[in-house]
Amino acid sequence: EVVLTQSPATLSLSPGERATLSCRASESVDKYLAWFQQKPGQAPRLLIYDASNRATGIPARFSGSGSGTDFTLAISSLEPEDFAVYYCQQRKTWPPLTFGGGTKVELK
Amino acid sequence: EVQLLESGGGLVQPGGSLRLSCVASGFTLRNYAMSWVRQAPGKGLEWVSAISGSDERTFYTDSVKGRFTISRDSSENTLTLQMNSLTSADTAVYYCVKAWTQTNMVLEHWGQGTLITVSS
Repeated sequence: EVVLTQSPATLSLSPGERATLSCRASESVDKYLAWFQQKPGQAPRLLIYDASNRATGIPARFSGSGSGTDFTLAISSLEPEDFAVYYCQQRKTWPPLTFGGGTKVELK
Repeated sequence: EVQLLESGGGLVQPGGSLRLSCVASGFTLRNYAMSWVRQAPGKGLEWVSAISGSDERTFYTDSVKGRFTISRDSSENTLTLQMNSLTSADTAVYYCVKAWTQTNMVLEHWGQGTLITVSS
């Protein structure tokens, strides 16, 4: 199975700062990587699919990049509502679909 | 508007069974692949099972094979997950998730989840 490793586990930042989250795959997943945002008590929400495509309604401050085994989610300028946990997920080789362990973006 | 409403969660004893349902609205269930994804308390996301669109192929993570069964009732536009031989490791919030197409597993829309607690 494809193992996804996210780093860092926790990112402590202030509103207005740039956030850069990493996801590394144990083997190539081509472009087939998605990013999700999850707030406490809520279901995950799709942000980015196929590495760099924003889902419907996702603000332009969210961007994804990468291919193969190394991927990045960037939030250009953190808004108060962006403090949450972020997960990456691959669909290149499944079953199983696999998720990374998550990165928590917390208020500094 | 796509909506997914899960039900059937609750407290069950180890070795017991439970049946989860997910009523879909705003789209026709048989035209899309669907998944169940779970999240143990305080933990990350884990994919559990999927069913493809028209041909209804089913897929499972290894830890639930032989115990869980995913199915679809097209007349009710409802996805179900029959869970047998439950253990404490199955304790989690279970999310019903709509994929992008019949086979494209972009996990596009998520229900709010239903909590399963396996405990004596």
